[in-house]
Amino acid sequence: DSGVTQTPKHLITATGQRVTLRCSPRSGDLSVYWYQQSLDQGLQFLIQYYNGEERAKGNILERFSAQQFPDLHSELNLSSLELGDSALYFCASSEDPHGRNSPLHFGNGTRLTVT
Amino acid sequence: GNSVTQMEGPVTLSEEAFLTINCTYTATGYPSLFWYVQYPGEGLQLLLKATKADDKGSNKGFEATYRKETTSFHLEKGSVQVSDSAVYFCALTATAGGTSYGKLTFGQGTILTVHP
Repeated sequence: DSGVTQTPKHLITATGQRVTLRCSPRSGDLSVYWYQQSLDQGLQFLIQYYNGEERAKGNILERFSAQQFPDLHSELNLSSLELGDSALYFCASSEDPHGRNSPLHFGNGTRLTVT
Repeated sequence: GNSVTQMEGPVTLSEEAFLTINCTYTATGYPSLFWYVQYPGEGLQLLLKATKADDKGSNKGFEATYRKETTSFHLEKGSVQVSDSAVYFCALTATAGGTSYGKLTFGQGTILTVHP
């Protein structure tokens, strides 16, 4: 058990809809990362937050947004969903703001299916 | 930009066979290198890491050496077990121009299946 909790485990929704994925980081970790794992793109970094502030941005679409709350949990919002957004979305946390010297701890992911 | 290339899989071995999964990288700055493992239905777990050239990371019988001259970080295990069946990801995080990047750049993953 990594200590990172993601909810829900599975999500099935229709095109055009909006969903929110939730992540609770490991106790004591201030950094939260979101990754997307899809068959065609592999594992891609989306965005990082550190102590409530956006720290780094990757290949995140404009239809997607995220935030980290004062209690350090994070939410990833996906809107105007398309079939191609179907993927496994991972959250990871780290105590290190730079993610360089301490490992990322990954949750088990939320599997999103857009129909 | 940064990139990681892993040998294409899937890899199928018999128990106690020797394992090598090749990984090469391109990075700006001074990358840290990682191997992560993903068991079915689970998130990724750090297997081992190396933060500077010539470092050897090791864990659970797996090893990988950071080779700056060949920009490689190949994963090896002398004798695999059925329980090693999983997807293995090579990854890096790099600094450039004094700015730290926390994000990991992953390879495409290599599926390993070990038969009894």
